[in-house]
Amino acid sequence: QSVLTQPPSVSGAPGQRVTISCTGSSSNIGAGYDVHWYQQLPGTAPKLLIHSNNNRPSGVPDRFSGSKSGTSASLAITGLQADDEADYYCQSFSLSNWVFGGGTKLTVL
Amino acid sequence: EVQLVESGGGLVQPGGSLRLSCAASGFIFSNYWMSWVRQAPGKGLEWVANIKQDGSEKYYVDSVKGRFAISRDNAKNSLYLQMNSLRAEDTAMYYCARVRGNCFDYWGQGTLVTVS
Repeated sequence: QSVLTQPPSVSGAPGQRVTISCTGSSSNIGAGYDVHWYQQLPGTAPKLLIHSNNNRPSGVPDRFSGSKSGTSASLAITGLQADDEADYYCQSFSLSNWVFGGGTKLTVL
Repeated sequence: EVQLVESGGGLVQPGGSLRLSCAASGFIFSNYWMSWVRQAPGKGLEWVANIKQDGSEKYYVDSVKGRFAISRDNAKNSLYLQMNSLRAEDTAMYYCARVRGNCFDYWGQGTLVTVS
């Protein structure tokens, strides 16, 4: 059981908007620690998608955005594309540990 | 271009040992914390260990404390993970990652460890 809770799966049609939630506690997200998001395409290593709650590394399209409020965070993907189909993980810091969510599989219908 | 290349994975019996290596290039290795993150087959990501720039601070997930040791050689731009007393539940792809702030901004392609 992960410290950060994500829905196991989400889906959407091409062009639609989807959101992925990441719920933590007062020991991690609620303590003020930043939330980061990673995209893992099938058979590849994870890639940093959003850092420090809402910042996109160079090269990441602005279709991807992050937000954080209280003990939760969210990743939003607009204009869904077929190659967005992947696993998405949130990550933060909690009680001297770097912690991940359990991951969310995004299916593009 | 930042590159992280892991090696050293393989098949090992329970109770055995393995040493993973990660060769870094494209950045000033000695300026960054480094980390190992693992992913069991079909499962999610799990942080394993972090090491400070000069090796003076090291942190581990509880499940590997006393069995795994992270180290680095800044002269060789290399990160290591010595894994002892391996268990079936240590079976995973092990990724080397660069740490920036509290996130992992670059990842290697991984090396597979199978304990069986």
